[in-house]
Amino acid sequence: GAGVSQSPRYKVTKRGQDVALRCDPISGHVSLYWYRQALGQGPEFLTYFNYEAQQDKSGLPNDRFSAERPEGSISTLTIQRTEQRDSAMYRCASSLFSSMGQKNSYEQYFGPGTRLTVT
Amino acid sequence: AQSVTQLDSQVPVFEEAPVELRCNYSSSVSVYLFWYVQYPNQGLQLLLKYLSGSTLVKGINGFEAEFNKSQTSFHLRKPSVHISDTAEYFCAVSDTDKYIFGTGTRLKVLA
Repeated sequence: GAGVSQSPRYKVTKRGQDVALRCDPISGHVSLYWYRQALGQGPEFLTYFNYEAQQDKSGLPNDRFSAERPEGSISTLTIQRTEQRDSAMYRCASSLFSSMGQKNSYEQYFGPGTRLTVT
Repeated sequence: AQSVTQLDSQVPVFEEAPVELRCNYSSSVSVYLFWYVQYPNQGLQLLLKYLSGSTLVKGINGFEAEFNKSQTSFHLRKPSVHISDTAEYFCAVSDTDKYIFGTGTRLKVLA
């Protein structure tokens, strides 16, 4: 079956512009995560959803970052007024389920990522 | 706060030699532990996970890892590596619904 897909794969934008990154999870997966990965670093948690409900957004760096998953499937991560420091790989992952506050035993399936470059 | 340390940023090793990639975590509570592999231009793929039970966990592609609670470690091993194992490897821990990843170890297998 199809894995997690992300679009666009590469995005170059000018400082101050808004960008929207899309994630299409594996069909039937309840939980969807967004991570940011800087060069030479591991993925850093941003936010996650169960169905359409945003469970945790503690990793979003500031209020320029927002995410939604209105129908419990596809999700969009939006960065407003982009800055050069926002340049990174943005990864999406999905899993069968994750209970808020409880240890997460389910495998997360990752998409190929969107490489964002802000010039 | 929970953290994961991967001390080796790069590990070069000759083909067919054994390898160990180190991972230490900081937590006084019970955790789940994971190793993921990232091939160039691809997403992360799960190699293996420890949830409970036997401390020796076997994964895909001949990899295994041993959970050591007293040393808070979860080192990844392979007895004989192949060129195709060249990739970046990430250790992750979960004591809540989130995963915390280490900074990764780049394994370079030399012919």
